[in-house]
Amino acid sequence: AQSVTQLDSQVPVFEEAPVELRCNYSSSVSVYLFWYVQYPNQGLQLLLKYLSGSTLVKGINGFEAEFNKSQTSFHLRKPSVHISDTAEYFCAVSKGGATNKLIFGTGTLLAVQP
Amino acid sequence: GAVVSQHPSRVICKSGTSVKIECRSLDFQATTMFWYRQFPKKSLMLMATSNEGSKATYEQGVEKDKFLINHASLTLSTLTVTSAHPEDSSFYICSARGRGEVSPLHFGNGTRLTVT
Repeated sequence: AQSVTQLDSQVPVFEEAPVELRCNYSSSVSVYLFWYVQYPNQGLQLLLKYLSGSTLVKGINGFEAEFNKSQTSFHLRKPSVHISDTAEYFCAVSKGGATNKLIFGTGTLLAVQP
Repeated sequence: GAVVSQHPSRVICKSGTSVKIECRSLDFQATTMFWYRQFPKKSLMLMATSNEGSKATYEQGVEKDKFLINHASLTLSTLTVTSAHPEDSSFYICSARGRGEVSPLHFGNGTRLTVT
């Protein structure tokens, strides 16, 4: 079975500073990896995904993530954050396929301070 | 881009009543829809997976008779919380996936259910 671990429940950072949100996964099979963002009282919005190919994936809002198979990690990064990036970020894993479910990590609250 | 509409966004009901939540895919055919429940400051817990025209598959520990899921068409799935109790108060989120091996999930904006 797949599982996802987000090591940090909350990450405070100052505006315009870089940030990295950590995500590790475990799976005995090849997986697809995702990062989603959730703003208060809203659903989830896809930031980026890794399906295959290049291990460096670029997403929306200036975020990127790198798939590292040897370390089973998929950390999310942004070189310079804005106040508007304050939100909950979820890493997720899926075996793929239309009916295969998405397993979410516990989330990391990115708190950007002025 | 793909849009999933979830309605209502908020609902308050009395204990013992039933509440229906709708999830619609607006510009694509959703062959599979997922229903999640999110507790405060927690991750999303998958409740069930529904495929159009067939019975939903419930996750372990989720009462199928309490959380009725219907996926009657390729654009609509409903979750009915029957005989709701205060402990059912939560944030419910639906998501939909189109056809294809690598179709991503598109999420609704969630429904805040409060049972008094």
